[in-house]
Amino acid sequence: DIQMTQSPSSLSASVGDRVTITCRASESISNYLNWYQQKPGRAPKLLIYTASSLQSGVPSRFSGSGSGTDFTLTISSLQPEDFATYYCQQSYSTPDTFGQGTKLEIK
Amino acid sequence: QVQLQQSGPGLVKPSQTLSLTCVISGDSVSSNSAAWNWIRQSPSRGLEWLGRTYYRSKWYNDYAESVKSRIIINPDTSKNQFSLQLKSVTLEDTAVYYCARRGNAYKFDYWDQGTLVTVSS
Repeated sequence: DIQMTQSPSSLSASVGDRVTITCRASESISNYLNWYQQKPGRAPKLLIYTASSLQSGVPSRFSGSGSGTDFTLTISSLQPEDFATYYCQQSYSTPDTFGQGTKLEIK
Repeated sequence: QVQLQQSGPGLVKPSQTLSLTCVISGDSVSSNSAAWNWIRQSPSRGLEWLGRTYYRSKWYNDYAESVKSRIIINPDTSKNQFSLQLKSVTLEDTAVYYCARRGNAYKFDYWDQGTLVTVSS
C-alpha cells in the first residue's frame, strides 16, 4: 500500500495568515492526489483534486501543487471557517489511502 | 446534485455482522464512470478505505486487504443503492462509516453524513 505522510500534524495560525500543509507519498503517484477538509461531526469535503484542480464551489484561496511524491495545500489568507482538519488522499493505486491529517487551529 | 443517504444499526454485538445501506439519488449505481465506496474513520486508524463496487460493462469489487476476508459490498440496481456487510466484527470495527462516490478524476466528491457504528456487547 502507498503510505501518505502529512506535516505538520497540527498547526496554529491566525486569520489572514498564509498556511501551507505538506503531503508526501511513499512512492510516485503522478498527480493522483486529492485534498479534503473535515470539520467536527461532518464528512470530509473535497477541496482539491488531481493535485491542483479546485473543486467547484471551493474558494480560490485554496490551492494545491506538486507531483510525484511531494504535494502541498496552501490557504492564501485564512478565514475563520477554515479552521478544521485537512487530509490528503492518493487515488493512484488501490487501496486508496489517506494521510493522518493536519489539524489547523486558531492561534 | 448527487446525494447519498445511509441507513443501518448503530450498535452491533461482537462476532455479528455489521450491515449498512447507502441510497443514491442524482446518479446511478450502474454508472460507467463512478465507483461506490465505503470508508470508515476511527481515532486509532484514521480514514480507512474499505472497498467499492462499480460497473464497467460488468460488476467489479475492490476490497482492502485488512478486511478482505470479512467484507461484501453489493449493488442493488432495483433500488439504486449499495450495501456493506462486515462479518465477525470486533471492538476494532467501531468507527464512523461513510459511503462515498468516487467520480471522474478518481476523487471522492460526494459523501453521506456518516454513521457511528459501535461494536459492543
